[in-house]
Amino acid sequence: AQTVTQSQPEMSVQEAETVTLSCTYDTSENNYYLFWYKQPPSRQMILVIRQEAYKQQNATENRFSVNFQKAAKSFSLKISDSQLGDTAMYFCAFTVSGGSNYKLTFGKGTLLTVNP
Amino acid sequence: GAGVSQSPSNKVTEKGKDVELRCDPISGHTALYWYRQSLGQGLEFLIYFQGNSAPDKSGLPSDRFSAERTGGSVSTLTIQRTQQEDSAVYLCASSSRLAGGPSRTGELFFGEGSRLTVL
Repeated sequence: AQTVTQSQPEMSVQEAETVTLSCTYDTSENNYYLFWYKQPPSRQMILVIRQEAYKQQNATENRFSVNFQKAAKSFSLKISDSQLGDTAMYFCAFTVSGGSNYKLTFGKGTLLTVNP
Repeated sequence: GAGVSQSPSNKVTEKGKDVELRCDPISGHTALYWYRQSLGQGLEFLIYFQGNSAPDKSGLPSDRFSAERTGGSVSTLTIQRTQQEDSAVYLCASSSRLAGGPSRTGELFFGEGSRLTVL
């Protein structure tokens, strides 16, 4: 079974600064996808960034980037130039690729607050 | 519709009553998921539907929980004889399995959830 661990229940950062959210996972699979989802107060989960395990290059999406360390089973999210709208719960998630079920396994989330 | 639609947005019920939560996935999406999000917890997988295949019910916490998906589209999650521990946000998500589609990478598209409060 796969597990996802987010060790930081809450974090805060000043506007315009950089923050890193941690995520580790455990799996015996070799091919999988990792995700960071954002859940603002509206409750709708929004995909922030995605990483394929077979790719060595770290994914980036504008101000969001990841540090994917496959051997260490670590997948951290870096948010640069933090904005007030980044305030939300952030969930790390994992799914096995190539299977018939794209069930996502989620961590417990990190509540990020961006302060003005 | 343009996105995943869930109703009701909020539901308050008394212990012992039955509730039904509805999910309307993105048109054309063949896969549909239900997750439960309790306070301070991550998302707990409940059930998965894929096309006409038998659903994966491995996450349903008890036999009071059931779900169906009619015509490969709309899904209803039913909780019978609700208990206070059932209070949570119930999230629905859908994805497409079409070749070349974005879901080949496993992305799920979520609704805004139904918040259930059992008094």
